[in-house]
Amino acid sequence: NAGVTQTPKFQVLKTGQSMTLQCAQDMNHEYMSWYRQDPGMGLRLIHYSVGAGITDQGEVPNGYNVSRSTTEDFPLRLLSAAPSQTSVYFCASSYSQGSIQYFGAGTRLSVL
Amino acid sequence: GEDVEQSLFLSVREGDSSVINCTYTDSSSTYLYWYKQEPGAGLQLLTYIFSNMDMKQDQRLTVLLNKKDKHLSLRIADTQTGDSAIYFCAETQGGSQGNLIFGKGTKLSVKP
Repeated sequence: NAGVTQTPKFQVLKTGQSMTLQCAQDMNHEYMSWYRQDPGMGLRLIHYSVGAGITDQGEVPNGYNVSRSTTEDFPLRLLSAAPSQTSVYFCASSYSQGSIQYFGAGTRLSVL
Repeated sequence: GEDVEQSLFLSVREGDSSVINCTYTDSSSTYLYWYKQEPGAGLQLLTYIFSNMDMKQDQRLTVLLNKKDKHLSLRIADTQTGDSAIYFCAETQGGSQGNLIFGKGTKLSVKP
């Protein structure tokens, strides 16, 4: 019963490096999203997708790219990492837009 | 825009009841959620309530919804040290999006 799987769990980057945070779900959910969590803050939406081939921006999209080529996967790309992107990143999925969302365990990213 | 507010800290003694409060702004939210986050862990869906309900009870948890005042509360009966965590209130964004808007979280400390 995997649910929502995020990899890696931890990552340290240098400023300017690029990387992709992976998110996969095995529940055949149409809706997937990425959030970031910063100390003392709630979660803020970065990007979301309502189905394969469809993505849209959330509250804080700058510096991040996404794509949704399959229903199962929704990777988040940092093209040129900045210290301001040091955060914990959570991926979530739900059967459809507006239905109950389930979260992955998170990726802790530090950008030096 | 939409906003979710919750107090940042709550301290209770083991065995007492805990009440965590939340106010939200979007009256068209379909679901309202409570998520639990233990230190260093991901978000665990604790419970949720449909917007057309006033109350939901699930074992030690009671959720009360006052739509008129846009107020949501989570009561934990017989609070245990294992309940120590951060509790996030979240509403679904209105309109056609259905994305989640989170509060900043309430840190519950349970003293023995």
